[in-house]
Amino acid sequence: EPEVTQTPSHQVTQMGQEVILRCVPISNHLYFYWYRQILGQKVEFLVSFYNNEISEKSEIFDDQFSVERPDGSNFTLKIRSTKLEDSAMYFCASSGQGANSPLHFGNGTRLTVT
Amino acid sequence: AQSVTQPDIHITVSEGASLELRCNYSYGATPYLFWYVQSPGQGLQLLLKYFSGDTLVQGIKGFEAEFKRSQSSFNLRKPSVHWSDAAEYFCAVGARETSGSRLTFGEGTQLTVNP
Repeated sequence: EPEVTQTPSHQVTQMGQEVILRCVPISNHLYFYWYRQILGQKVEFLVSFYNNEISEKSEIFDDQFSVERPDGSNFTLKIRSTKLEDSAMYFCASSGQGANSPLHFGNGTRLTVT
Repeated sequence: AQSVTQPDIHITVSEGASLELRCNYSYGATPYLFWYVQSPGQGLQLLLKYFSGDTLVQGIKGFEAEFKRSQSSFNLRKPSVHWSDAAEYFCAVGARETSGSRLTFGEGTQLTVNP
């Protein structure tokens, strides 16, 4: 069964540094998402992406965040200047056409900001 | 705005016992409802989903859930729990209006299975 893959599985960075989290969605999916889960908290929506543009974003997704689909397969989340509170598990997801197409999640990237 | 409440933060059951995890949602119309499971260090795996039709939905690993509109609930059940079911379970609600809409997750229920 096709799956969403994320790299790296764990990233450690210093406060103020830029990080790029990478994702390869399922190949025939059209919608791409980033969610995050701070340790011990619920999974929170960050952003959705369709047709090469952001379709929806949450209040968490401020100017320090950006997303990009640089080629036909990758989907990236960039955090421009990391803060301690950005430490979390970041999940990429993708879904097909139709509001009833379920999200398929990757295994996540654990980001630790020191 | 949509929201999800999972009243039980942590549940412990014995292996072989039945299980019910509670989920209540708030949404202006009939929602899309999901249960996901997360094992330690893993991503979120879809257990089952409700979109329309039969209110009792079957999922993977022997799980089922029942949509009850009158109670705004979507409780997850399993008749006989296995040790491998120990994990965190998340209920989620999605909007019907648009494709690619966000999911709103509950706080999660951590399931411990005693031998």
